[in-house]
Amino acid sequence: GESVGLHLPTLSVQEGDNSIINCAYSNSASDYFIWYKQESGKGPQFIIDIRSNMDKRQGQRVTVLLNKTVKHLSLQIAATQPGDSAVYFCAETHNTDKLIFGTGTRLQVFP
Amino acid sequence: NAGVTQTPKFQVLKTGQSMTLQCAQDMNHNSMYWYRQDPGMGLRLIYYSASEGTTDKGEVPNGYNVSRLNKREFSLRLESAAPSQTSVYFCAVGRGGMYEQYFGPGTRLTVT
Repeated sequence: GESVGLHLPTLSVQEGDNSIINCAYSNSASDYFIWYKQESGKGPQFIIDIRSNMDKRQGQRVTVLLNKTVKHLSLQIAATQPGDSAVYFCAETHNTDKLIFGTGTRLQVFP
Repeated sequence: NAGVTQTPKFQVLKTGQSMTLQCAQDMNHNSMYWYRQDPGMGLRLIYYSASEGTTDKGEVPNGYNVSRLNKREFSLRLESAAPSQTSVYFCAVGRGGMYEQYFGPGTRLTVT
């Protein structure tokens, strides 16, 4: 089943290359950010988060960069694999229980 | 350890029918959430519950009601379904505040 559909921005990369997925957020007061991965027919899966007192955070094969000056968040995936094909969402919040989600980017990995 | 479970997985309703979507968690988190996901709209918060016995409206609460039955369960009710409520519904749980949320597998609802 589709996650988010018809007019998603799409990033196509070759297997083994690095991927960079970008997200512009709207609220300059947002202080917590999350990246989620959603595979077809499944619920969003937590990848990595970052708080506003940091510029960079690394996980396993993923890195999140936060530029508060221009309200920009990026997710870098190293050595992209076919299993990374999915829709990726960023989400933000400002000291509340409510996450605000972006509309998502579809990542397609070609062999 | 199932995490977050949702029932049913699929449902077709006629306009005006009612139904309840069920969500249960075994993660022992206080906060629970209901979202809907539509093409091009991302995930939008319908209702959430910061703890047992409390519920609050999210971005798109009209046409829905919720019930936080206990710490484990949070249900979403459509009293009189409308075609505009055709969507995929996700339940999520978390510690609340600046922490991640964990999502269930979703319920795909079609209202004809």
